[in-house]
Amino acid sequence: GAVVSQHPSRVICKSGTSVKIECRSLDFQATTMFWYRQFPKQSLMLMATSNEGSKATYEQGVEKDKFLINHASLTLSTLTVTSAHPEDSSFYICSARPTPLLRAAEAFFGQGTRLTVV
Amino acid sequence: AQRVTQPEKLLSVFKGAPVELKCNYSYSGSPELFWYVQYSRQRLQLLLRHISRESIKGFTADLNKGETSFHLKKPFAQEEDSAMYYCALKNSNTGKLIFGQGTTLQVKP
Repeated sequence: GAVVSQHPSRVICKSGTSVKIECRSLDFQATTMFWYRQFPKQSLMLMATSNEGSKATYEQGVEKDKFLINHASLTLSTLTVTSAHPEDSSFYICSARPTPLLRAAEAFFGQGTRLTVV
Repeated sequence: AQRVTQPEKLLSVFKGAPVELKCNYSYSGSPELFWYVQYSRQRLQLLLRHISRESIKGFTADLNKGETSFHLKKPFAQEEDSAMYYCALKNSNTGKLIFGQGTTLQVKP
């Protein structure tokens, strides 16, 4: 099956620093990837849609300057949390939609990244 | 407005009992619905989708457009079914998945 890998799986950083999270599709290409945030025992909240070769589209209320997304290739999207604060501590999950569209009904999920800002 | 509602945060049943996890949706277009499952310490994975009309691990879900529901059912729950279950609606224009709040299924021995 299709595999999406996130790195790192867990990161602790100091307040004010930036953290980059990578999302890779290992055995398929993904024109579109999605970034979610999940609070404990809550649902996945879509933060942004990452499109290869173009700017990401952000959901309402998500600061684009705070959460920088880069989708430089068909297998890699990165989310950078800039000037992190303790309230940014959360579980970040990416998903990727396979291209071509034949398999587009499925989105494959990464294992998630637990970010703790101290 | 697009919305997915899972009214139950927690559903606790005994092994062998029937299970129904409720999901209702709101969507103006033709809906494409999914159930995802997240086992303890594992990633979210697709369980089933309505267009496939399949049964996975004994689970089935029927899209009821009249009631705007997509409830997940299993006649006899097993302990290994204990997990978090998310109902999701796909926006056909953007491909975005809109998730419900999730229901924790706890199957007791």
